[in-house]
Amino acid sequence: EIMVTQSPATLSLSPGETATLSCRASQAIGTTLAWYQQKPGQAPRLLMFYASNRATGIPAKFSGSGSGTDFTLTISSLEPEDSAVYYCQQRKRWPDTFGQGTRLEIK
Amino acid sequence: QVHLVQSGAEVKKPGASVKVSCRASGYSFTAYYIHWVRQAPGQGLEWMGRINPDNGATNYAQNFLGRVTMTRDTSNSTAYLELTSLKSDDTAVYYCARLWGWTVAGSSDTLDVWGQGTVLTVSS
Repeated sequence: EIMVTQSPATLSLSPGETATLSCRASQAIGTTLAWYQQKPGQAPRLLMFYASNRATGIPAKFSGSGSGTDFTLTISSLEPEDSAVYYCQQRKRWPDTFGQGTRLEIK
Repeated sequence: QVHLVQSGAEVKKPGASVKVSCRASGYSFTAYYIHWVRQAPGQGLEWMGRINPDNGATNYAQNFLGRVTMTRDTSNSTAYLELTSLKSDDTAVYYCARLWGWTVAGSSDTLDVWGQGTVLTVSS
């Protein structure tokens, strides 16, 4: 099973700043990685797939990069509504695995 | 429009079984895998397994082997998750999802759709 580790666990930033979230896979997965945003009481929402492709309706303030084992989600011009838990997910090899999440707080 | 609609909340006693349904609409049900993902209170996402609605083939995560069964009914575009020998640790929200990636035929699919979630509470 491929393990996926996210850092940091919690990130506290101010409106207008840029957030950088990291995800590391235990073995190379090419770009078969996604990022999800989850707000309380809601299902996860896909932000990025194949590491750097924005899902339908996702604004350009969200960007993804990386390949192999190291990946980054960048969120620019932070707004209070960006507060959420962000998960990465690898789909290179079954079983699919998710990272433990990064909680982003906008104060 | 693509939708996945799940059955309602369940309360079960330890040792019991539960069966959750997930009805698909807006697309060809047999062309896309249905995955099941659960989330315990305050915890992260845990992939449980998937079913190929076309032929019924399943893949289960190691943690659930022997306790989980995924089935489907193509006549009403519905997938089912059955979990047996319930424990308090199974208390969670259970989601069905059509995940981004590929169709059952192997072609690319960039749509990602989740059901609204089914809350399962296991308590004596």
